[in-house]
Amino acid sequence: GQSLEQPSEVTAVEGAIVQINCTYQTSGFYGLSWYQQHDGGAPTFLSYNALDGLEETGRFSSFLSRSDSYGYLLLQELQMKDSASYFCAVEDSGAGSYQLTFGKGTKLSVIP
Amino acid sequence: NAGVMQNPRHLVRRRGQEARLRCSPMKGHSHVYWYRQLPEEGLKFMVYLQKENIIDESGMPKERFSAEFPKEGPSILRIQQVVRGDSAAYFCASSPVEGQGDEQYFGPGTRLTVT
Repeated sequence: GQSLEQPSEVTAVEGAIVQINCTYQTSGFYGLSWYQQHDGGAPTFLSYNALDGLEETGRFSSFLSRSDSYGYLLLQELQMKDSASYFCAVEDSGAGSYQLTFGKGTKLSVIP
Repeated sequence: NAGVMQNPRHLVRRRGQEARLRCSPMKGHSHVYWYRQLPEEGLKFMVYLQKENIIDESGMPKERFSAEFPKEGPSILRIQQVVRGDSAAYFCASSPVEGQGDEQYFGPGTRLTVT
């Protein structure tokens, strides 16, 4: 089976940097995705890593280490609107399709 | 270009009734995924469909739940004889092709409440 671990809650100050870690156990690993979800809203895609290293997209960066089964999402220059839940999701091949298995999410609270 | 559409947004059913949830994927997308989310939890994969085909239903309960994606019209997730434990948010996602790293675009979800 698959399992993902990420912190349940993180609080950070506006303008600061925050890192959300994710460790995973899975077979048939293809890649690690990150999604953002505001309360009552739909998950929206942030990033995807298939290879080791850092991917940068504006204020958000995502890192993957396949050998450590570990990744993180880095949010810089935090804004109040970044308060949301962040989910890591492992992509693996189950029953012949590319399934996403989600972690339980990290609730980020950005404070003034 | 409209995004993924789901309706209804909110659905209330009494125990034993049937719930039908609809999902229209983004234009040009032929792959549909259904997920269930309980409060304070992540999304749990239920089923993956292409037009007229169920590709992977490994996450869907064997009883009472069914899904389809007909040649014409939206994808439907049907829950028969609902129970209180079915209360959750059900999200549909679509992607243009199946493949590694494809971004899934999520709809706004249907919040099902079973009374």
